[in-house]
Amino acid sequence: KAGVTQTPRYLIKTRGQQVTLSCSPISGHRSVSWYQQTPGQGLQFLFEYFSETQRNKGNFPGRFSGRQFSNSRSEMNVSTLELGDSALYLCASSPGQDLGGYTFGSGTRLTVV
Amino acid sequence: AQSVTQPDIHITVSEGASLELRCNYSYGATPYLFWYVQSPGQGLQLLLKYFSGDTLVQGIKGFEAEFKRSQSSFNLRKPSVHWSDAAEYFCAVGAPGGYNKLIFGAGTRLAVHP
Repeated sequence: KAGVTQTPRYLIKTRGQQVTLSCSPISGHRSVSWYQQTPGQGLQFLFEYFSETQRNKGNFPGRFSGRQFSNSRSEMNVSTLELGDSALYLCASSPGQDLGGYTFGSGTRLTVV
Repeated sequence: AQSVTQPDIHITVSEGASLELRCNYSYGATPYLFWYVQSPGQGLQLLLKYFSGDTLVQGIKGFEAEFKRSQSSFNLRKPSVHWSDAAEYFCAVGAPGGYNKLIFGAGTRLAVHP
């Protein structure tokens, strides 16, 4: 059974650009959560989607947005990139509306220059 | 507010020695509790989790953790550390029956001396 797949693995962008990251959950999983990991702030929750609806959102500016498609794949978008957005972005998927079976992907490393 | 504290930022042990990584949490009720391990540049691998029941939880790679409600702790232990255990370890809490969101501690980086 395939795990959580995040693409691309690495990305370099310039300040002011926008970026879109993709997360394909485990087959049958309907919930996708996103996290940002930086050396200074650690692991922080961005948002969670279940059945195409955003259920919960962390304390991030509006430049961070996401969506989920009918096949449960999710994308997150960051507009007007700042140097501080350089981070490892992790997604996790779960079968339902709780943390049973919560599984993380390998992440996308975003570098903003 | 919900929070997780991992008091030790770095720990160094000798190969074959025992290990205990500390985790304390602040939460209104009994949360779901997790330990993850992360190797450099990699995602998070689940070591073990506690939802309910027996307070001593067995995980993968020979790790175990004990939930102590009175101390709001969920410490991770391993009786004999291997060089391959060198990594960063994260404790996390989540809400039972709530949104799929984890609050993480700052992590403990483990170094293993041969």
